[in-house]
Amino acid sequence: DTVLTQSPALAVSPGERVSISCRASEGVNSYMHWYQQKPGQQPKLLIYKASNLASGVPARFSGSGSGTDFTLTIDPVEADDTATYFCQQSWNDPYTFGAGTKLELK
Amino acid sequence: QVQLQQSGAELVKPGTSVKLSCKASGYTFTSNHMNWIKQTTGQGLEWIGIINPGSGGTSYNVKFKGKATLTVDKSSSTAFMQLSSLTPEDSAVYYCARRGGIRGTFAYWGQGTLVTVSS
Repeated sequence: DTVLTQSPALAVSPGERVSISCRASEGVNSYMHWYQQKPGQQPKLLIYKASNLASGVPARFSGSGSGTDFTLTIDPVEADDTATYFCQQSWNDPYTFGAGTKLELK
Repeated sequence: QVQLQQSGAELVKPGTSVKLSCKASGYTFTSNHMNWIKQTTGQGLEWIGIINPGSGGTSYNVKFKGKATLTVDKSSSTAFMQLSSLTPEDSAVYYCARRGGIRGTFAYWGQGTLVTVSS
């Protein structure tokens, strides 16, 4: 299976820029997607195919990367962005998720 | 608007089976594949499999073959997942998630069903 590696946690201040990384154990072309999950809620799609903003998602969120290295950027970070962010690939079978990066605000 | 309404929490005994439901509304049920995803604190998010509601065709993560069975009822726009031979390791929140415009994206999610396997 394709393993997706994310850093476990980050802490930033409101108004700052934050980048969350995801590294794949093998190439996934551009089929990397990002989700936000708040406590007690289901995940929400933010970015699809590496850099495309999902419907209704603020332009503060952006994605980049291809192959094995991908980044989700939030600029500027707002208090409501406190959540866990997951990457997920759909190029290789089975689809797999990263373990998530917990974003906390200072 | 697209909505996926999942069935309520289940407390089940080891060795038994459970069938979860996911009722879809706000779109043409047979036109979009439905996925099922498992979430635990320890293992994170795991993709279980996908079903084409139009044809009934399925594809499973090999890890869940024999554990999960995906079906649909087109007349009620409802997707089902049966989990068999339950063990405590099957305790988790299970989500149904409708595919987005891109293969392998999960654009719409149900609220999740908590399954607890305990004697």
